[in-house]
Amino acid sequence: EIVLTQSPGTLSLSPGERATLSCRASQSVSSSYLAWYQQKPGQAPRLLIYGASSRATGIPDRFSGSGSGTDFTLTISRLEPEDLAVYYCQQYGSSWTFGQGTKVEIK
Amino acid sequence: EVQLLESGGGLVQPGGSLRLSCAASGFTFSSYAMTWVRQAPGKGLEWVSVTSGNGRRTDYADSVKGRFTISRDNSQNTLFLQMNSLRAEDTAIYYCAKNTAYVGSQDVWGQGTTVTVSS
Repeated sequence: EIVLTQSPGTLSLSPGERATLSCRASQSVSSSYLAWYQQKPGQAPRLLIYGASSRATGIPDRFSGSGSGTDFTLTISRLEPEDLAVYYCQQYGSSWTFGQGTKVEIK
Repeated sequence: EVQLLESGGGLVQPGGSLRLSCAASGFTFSSYAMTWVRQAPGKGLEWVSVTSGNGRRTDYADSVKGRFTISRDNSQNTLFLQMNSLRAEDTAIYYCAKNTAYVGSQDVWGQGTTVTVSS
């Protein structure tokens, strides 16, 4: 099983700042089958990024994904108050597994 | 509008059974693989099971293999999860989700249904 480790556990930033979230896999993720999801409090998850770097439909361009192999990054270029959420990475190249999540707090 | 609506959650005793349903609308249901994902109280997301568009291919997390069965009725645009031999650790919100492909991410999610396993 591929284990995904996300860091940091919590990120506390001010509106307008840049957020960088990391997702490290225990082994290489084939074909960059890596997705990022946003889960706001009390809501279902929402797909942000698939294929490591492709934005899902309707996702603002301040969200971007990068990386390959075992190291992946989600960047929120200019944080907005509505970005308060927990962000999960997921690999789907070898079964499916999620990381434990990074909580983004807005100062 | 693409929508998924789960139902069937509730309180069940350890060792009991429950069948979850997920009604789909707004897309060609039979063309897409479908997935169940769960979230224990205060915890992260856990992938549970997936089925192909025609229902012939399925996969399960080790934690539910042999106890849960995923199925679908494409004539009724409905996905199911039959859960047997339930344990306290199965307590969670269960989400159904539409896959972009069998080996793919989940691009549409329902709002979830809550399962509580307790005596």
